[in-house]
Amino acid sequence: SAVISQKPSRDICQRGTSLTIQCQVDSQVTMMFWYRQQPGQSLTLIATANQGSEATYESGFVIDKFPISRPNLTFSTLTVSNLSPEDSSIYLCSVDEGTEKLFFGSGTQLSVL
Amino acid sequence: RKEVEQDPGPFNVPEGATVAFNCTYSNSASQSFFWYRQDCRKEPKLLMSVYSSGNEDGRFTAQLNRASQYISLLIRDSKLSDSATYLCVVKTAGTYKYIFGTGTRLKVLA
Repeated sequence: SAVISQKPSRDICQRGTSLTIQCQVDSQVTMMFWYRQQPGQSLTLIATANQGSEATYESGFVIDKFPISRPNLTFSTLTVSNLSPEDSSIYLCSVDEGTEKLFFGSGTQLSVL
Repeated sequence: RKEVEQDPGPFNVPEGATVAFNCTYSNSASQSFFWYRQDCRKEPKLLMSVYSSGNEDGRFTAQLNRASQYISLLIRDSKLSDSATYLCVVKTAGTYKYIFGTGTRLKVLA
């Protein structure tokens, strides 16, 4: 199974700033995703990170707010821009190796003051 | 209506008890089904896939009822270490999207 390193594990940020989360996988994977899990809520898919092209965003999520990079098949970043307290959440990267098994990074807990 | 619905619980059960969770899904085109386990402040991890014929893994049994559009998870002889949130996950054929339920919290009490 893929081993995913996600960082930072947590951060406290001021309003109006941005946070960039990194996700490194120990093998090449085609499908890489970014999820958000708000307190007491389910996981919600933000976008699919596509290698070499723009990410595919789900309804309610836009590139200006959540820019994503995917420079190669083992790495991706998610930036949460212009932070507000409503962005306080856990952000998770995940990969599907093509076996219909999702593996997750350990998550980034973001608190916005 | 949510695409995947679960009773949030918590289910508080004594050690050794048998407990069952149900999950309903709204999209009849859903093709793949899973149970994930999420410990407090940790990432979700795959517990088991759910096959049409049902499947068993030790103390855990998962079943699928396509006609009624629900899946179930049965845990026998509950252990303290089974305390976690159990997430029902559904995937539609031909898509890459996994839809997560809100999870059911289980607390196994000594």
